[in-house]
Amino acid sequence: SQTIHQWPATLVQPVGSPLSLECTVEGTSNPNLYWYRQAAGRGLQLLFYSVGIGQISSEVPQNLSASRPQDRQFILSSKKLLLSDSGFYLCAWMPQPNTEAFFGQGTRLTVV
Amino acid sequence: QKEVEQNSGPLSVPEGAIASLNCTYSDRGSQSFFWYRQYSGKSPELIMSIYSNGDKEDGRFTAQLNKASQYVSLLIRDSQPSDSATYLCAVNRGYSSASKIIFGSGTRLSIRP
Repeated sequence: SQTIHQWPATLVQPVGSPLSLECTVEGTSNPNLYWYRQAAGRGLQLLFYSVGIGQISSEVPQNLSASRPQDRQFILSSKKLLLSDSGFYLCAWMPQPNTEAFFGQGTRLTVV
Repeated sequence: QKEVEQNSGPLSVPEGAIASLNCTYSDRGSQSFFWYRQYSGKSPELIMSIYSNGDKEDGRFTAQLNKASQYVSLLIRDSQPSDSATYLCAVNRGYSSASKIIFGSGTRLSIRP
């Protein structure tokens, strides 16, 4: 069966520090992969999505970047965190185009 | 206009009653529609998918889709305290491989004993 792993679960980082969040999917090949952010009490904002290795589409211009170095690995990065980067970051995968997405457990990031 | 709109609630429903959650979307070309449940501090969990007009039932849950009206709803029968959560309506409006799911801001549902 397919599983998605996301880590770390919680993270506290100072303003100006770098960020690297990792997500991996098991039990499938060539999935669509997604990064979402959820601010406190808000809905999910799509940040990036990828349909294949090295293929990244950005939805919102911001202080973040994404990479997909391997088929089942998706990484969210920042060179210098801002206070506004705080939130709940969720990785998701989609087994087939135009179907549902399944989420990892999320990373709660607090920038201080 | 938001792409996916939901009433933020909170919606308070007595235990055992029917909870009705509604959602509208703006992209008429959207093809697939979902309801996710999210407990506080947790990631969203898929509870229903619907792809064609009409009703789809799964246990106590019924999803309804009306593409002409660009409207999706979720009915929860025999509401239980464990149904208290935020319900997210989502729409897949991608084409071919570039699928992306857009979420509404969610409706908070509270089931009162």
